[in-house]
Amino acid sequence: KAGVTQTPRYLIKTRGQQVTLSCSPISGHRSVSWYQQTPGQGLQFLFEYFSETQRNKGNFPGRFSGRQFSNSRSEMNVSTLELGDSALYLCASRLAGGPGETQYFGPGTRLLVL
Amino acid sequence: DAKTTQPPSMDCAEGRAANLPCNHSTISGNEYVYWYRQIHSQGPQYIIHGLKNNETNEMASLIITEDRKSSTLILPHATLRDTAVYYCIAPEGSSNTGKLIFGQGTTLQVKP
Repeated sequence: KAGVTQTPRYLIKTRGQQVTLSCSPISGHRSVSWYQQTPGQGLQFLFEYFSETQRNKGNFPGRFSGRQFSNSRSEMNVSTLELGDSALYLCASRLAGGPGETQYFGPGTRLLVL
Repeated sequence: DAKTTQPPSMDCAEGRAANLPCNHSTISGNEYVYWYRQIHSQGPQYIIHGLKNNETNEMASLIITEDRKSSTLILPHATLRDTAVYYCIAPEGSSNTGKLIFGQGTTLQVKP
């Protein structure tokens, strides 16, 4: 079974632009979570989607948004990019969101904001 | 805030067992303990998880104390490729949410 895939793997943007990152979960997985990893803050939870609905949200400004499609694929969008948004963005999928389920992570998208 | 505390770094000789401790004294009765590791700039890799009983898989063993306040991840025969940051995580609310709270983890250095 193929793992979690993320596209693109690398991205360079300038301040003020917006960016959209894509995540395809493991086949059959319906829950997708997004995380941001920076050297200063470590790995931080952004949000989780399940059955096209946002189920949980981390402490990030409204510039960070996401959505999930009927095939469980997910996108996250960051508008009005700031230098501090430079980070590794990771998505993780799990089956249905029940107790004891494991999240499997993708390789990440490395975003550099200039 | 992370519900778990881990030592920031540990060394282990290649071929020896690596024992990584984790304290999770505030964990509730229905919260699992998960272990992931992250090799530089890659996505975290799932290792193992458990609730009450000790667990073993092809990668590692997880020993959970009877009071569930701490656990130990054991890599039985560490190799150089096991050098990574290891995270011990207790997800919020019985794991129904997708919110994993990562602490700083333990950087394990396996030395030849």
